[in-house]
Amino acid sequence: GAGVSQSPSNKVTEKGKDVELRCDPISGHTALYWYRQRLGQGLEFLIYFQGNSAPDKSGLPSDRFSAERTGESVSTLTIQRTQQEDSAVYLCASSSHMEGQTQYFGPGTRLLVL
Amino acid sequence: AQKITQTQPGMFVQEKEAVTLDCTYDTSDQSYGLFWYKQPSSGEMIFLIYQGSYDEQNATEGRYSLNFQKARKSANLVISASQLGDSAMYFCATFAGTYKYIFGTGTRLKVLA
Repeated sequence: GAGVSQSPSNKVTEKGKDVELRCDPISGHTALYWYRQRLGQGLEFLIYFQGNSAPDKSGLPSDRFSAERTGESVSTLTIQRTQQEDSAVYLCASSSHMEGQTQYFGPGTRLLVL
Repeated sequence: AQKITQTQPGMFVQEKEAVTLDCTYDTSDQSYGLFWYKQPSSGEMIFLIYQGSYDEQNATEGRYSLNFQKARKSANLVISASQLGDSAMYFCATFAGTYKYIFGTGTRLKVLA
């Protein structure tokens, strides 16, 4: 597609439920990033993929968070046993070495845990 | 470790005036890049401008220019002829040869009619 897409755009869930967030990067972009942005805050790095491998998962806040990526395409971020503190916007970005590593962001998924 | 500092939590500017948003960075790497992103109230992050550490000229993109002062480690964003649609959060960011981008805390710009 023309840009990074994310789904769902909004998700409301009950505490304790699992959620899965999806990111479709720009075609041909080998690098993919997940960020979390709490209300009124900056971006918090979660995880980075180069291809389908994740060299650095240290940004994931707890073992309830996991992510995977299929080839150089879709990535899913899964949050198990959601907590109210997980409420935030989850942003995905992709980049290409050919474009100077500029990250292009998706519209985000707004997650609200009740 | 890399660090980005944006000291202005909020700024006001009159429509059609120019405004400068401050950004200082800290890195020990010789090769690095600096970015500015705009985040309107809709929440999307929009790439505005990029400056490479070896670029001798200041980057410009339309009404946006980056005032790059390497010795002072500053990469201020200048928006000329402000428009109401420029009201948004603005984030400065860097990477330095690694994948891990570091973002500043942002500056909220409000353009006044």
